[in-house]
Amino acid sequence: KAGVTQTPRYLIKTRGQQVTLSCSPISGHRSVSWYQQTPGQGLQFLFEYFSETQRNKGNFPGRFSGRQFSNSRSEMNVSTLELGDSALYLCASSSYDLGETQYFGPGTRLLVL
Amino acid sequence: AQSVTQLDSQVPVFEEAPVELRCNYSSSVSVYLFWYVQYPNQGLQLLLKYLSGSTLVKGINGFEAEFNKSQTSFHLRKPSVHISDTAEYFCAVTSTNRDDKIIFGKGTRLHILP
Repeated sequence: KAGVTQTPRYLIKTRGQQVTLSCSPISGHRSVSWYQQTPGQGLQFLFEYFSETQRNKGNFPGRFSGRQFSNSRSEMNVSTLELGDSALYLCASSSYDLGETQYFGPGTRLLVL
Repeated sequence: AQSVTQLDSQVPVFEEAPVELRCNYSSSVSVYLFWYVQYPNQGLQLLLKYLSGSTLVKGINGFEAEFNKSQTSFHLRKPSVHISDTAEYFCAVTSTNRDDKIIFGKGTRLHILP
């Protein structure tokens, strides 16, 4: 099976812009989770989608949003970018329960100038 | 809510020596526990997980971990490390409630010395 894919891999934006990141899960996986990874804060949970519904949400401002499509592909959007949004954004998919193994994509590295 | 603490941000160890990476968690309910590894410029990969049953869990690449409920710990061990084990290791916890989210520790960077 093909692994989790994320596009784009690298992105440079300026403050105030918005950005959309895409994640394609492993075929058959219905759960997609998003994480933000920074050197200072480590790996922080953003949100999880399951069957097109947001099942869990982390403690991020409303500028961070996401959605999941009927084919389980997911997008994450960040509006009004701030310098502190510079990070590696990781997507992970799993088949159903969170007790199941999460398979991570390689991430999208976002730099906000 | 759950939390997880990785006590060491960096661990240096000589090649072929044993290593233990420490992880403690806090939770008022039953938990699932995980160890993930992140190699440079890559996403995370599952090393092993504890869901139930035997408290000694064996994973990939010769790693193992022991779930200790009384000490709320899930330390990761390897008897002999290789240079290829250089990576960052993350401990993670989630409750057995299938709708709960996974909480990751801040990671431990393993440096293998020749």
